[in-house]
Amino acid sequence: DQQVKQNSPSLSVQEGRISILNCDYTNSMFDYFLWYKKYPAEGPTFLISISSIKDKNEDGRFTVFLNKSAKHLSLHIVPSQPGDSAVYFCAASAIRGGADGLTFGKGTHLIIQP
Amino acid sequence: DTGVSQDPRHKITKRGQNVTFRCDPISEHNRLYWYRQTLGQGPEFLTYFQNEAQLEKSRLLSDRFSAERPKGSFSTLEIQRTEQGDSAMYLCASSLLRNSGNTIYFGEGSWLTVV
Repeated sequence: DQQVKQNSPSLSVQEGRISILNCDYTNSMFDYFLWYKKYPAEGPTFLISISSIKDKNEDGRFTVFLNKSAKHLSLHIVPSQPGDSAVYFCAASAIRGGADGLTFGKGTHLIIQP
Repeated sequence: DTGVSQDPRHKITKRGQNVTFRCDPISEHNRLYWYRQTLGQGPEFLTYFQNEAQLEKSRLLSDRFSAERPKGSFSTLEIQRTEQGDSAMYLCASSLLRNSGNTIYFGEGSWLTVV
């Protein structure tokens, strides 16, 4: 039973346009959500997070939106740059429930085309 | 470099041998995690420590796996009698738990290939 789902294994976007990566979750106990970026043969790098008390968090070119009623979050990257090509993982945790480990999706491979 | 560091970065071992990975977390972080990642999958939680106490272990962590964090600083993950199915990237991560959230920072990973 996958609690965090990233239904698009890959996404191709033109340089300069907006990249939108989506993530759905099933566990209503999740209250903290994170996005990580991963290059091959490296560990995941933290990008941005959002608490369930918010519906939006922005950091430079990255914005995360959370829709609790739909159990859906998305990461927007604008404008997309060649260095953004990587695998992006959505992760969730249930801080108030005491389960502090992160549950990850399977990732979306973002390809930025020139 | 004050990030999470892992050693070795790559390890090739014969089936049946024991291997040990070391992790040095970010110095002020009190939580340390071990994850495993295989191709096409997201990282899977194995275990975590708060200071020196091991608080949670995943069912993925079989009896052949043992993790320690003896002084609440660095940690080791040992795999005994390795099997080909143990081939994966082993990721260490650390965090400083706050009421506002728990952002976990990962190391570069240790690649294990069992032949």
